[in-house]
Amino acid sequence: GAVVSQHPSWVICKSGTSVKIECRSLDFQATTMFWYRQFPKQSLMLMATSNEGSKATYEQGVEKDKFLINHASLTLSTLTVTSAHPEDSSFYICSAPGQGASGYTFGSGTRLTVV
Amino acid sequence: KQEVTQIPAALSVPEGENLVLNCSFTDSAIYNLQWFRQDPGKGLTSLLLIQSSQREQTSGRLNASLDKSSGRSTLYIAASQPGDSATYLCAVYRWGGTASKLTFGTGTRLQVTL
Repeated sequence: GAVVSQHPSWVICKSGTSVKIECRSLDFQATTMFWYRQFPKQSLMLMATSNEGSKATYEQGVEKDKFLINHASLTLSTLTVTSAHPEDSSFYICSAPGQGASGYTFGSGTRLTVV
Repeated sequence: KQEVTQIPAALSVPEGENLVLNCSFTDSAIYNLQWFRQDPGKGLTSLLLIQSSQREQTSGRLNASLDKSSGRSTLYIAASQPGDSATYLCAVYRWGGTASKLTFGTGTRLQVTL
């Protein structure tokens, strides 16, 4: 089945630095990738939709300049948290529609802790 | 605006019990519905997908049904096991050949005790 590989699984960074999270579709082409953020004991909140070869679409309230999304190829989408601050600490997950009618596949998530 | 609600929010059952998780949505237009489980600190694992033209899907001990007219879906878990302990999420979306946003339910935290 469709597999999305997400790295890193966890990262700790200092306040003010930038962190890049990668999501790769391993056995299919993902023209679209969705990026979510999840707070403890809450459901997923959609941050943005990335499309290969075009600009990402951000949800209302999500800072475009803080959360940079790049979808340069059909198998790779990246989320860069720029100038990270402790309030950016969260669980970030990517997702892509699988092939045909197989539904959506999710990455394993990245736990970001900003200290 | 589509809203998805899951009841109950949390559930604790002894091993071996059969249980039902509920998912309701407000907009019953043509939607697909997908059930996921999420273990603590992990991503989402797809359990079952019910396309808009289908009424139910089965996989092992899991059975999911979809009633679009009433805006409801149920996930039935037979003979529950401690390994079933996780958060279960339902999500609805349109499928028109291109990717569309998922609207997630609030989730049900399930604990199966020995």
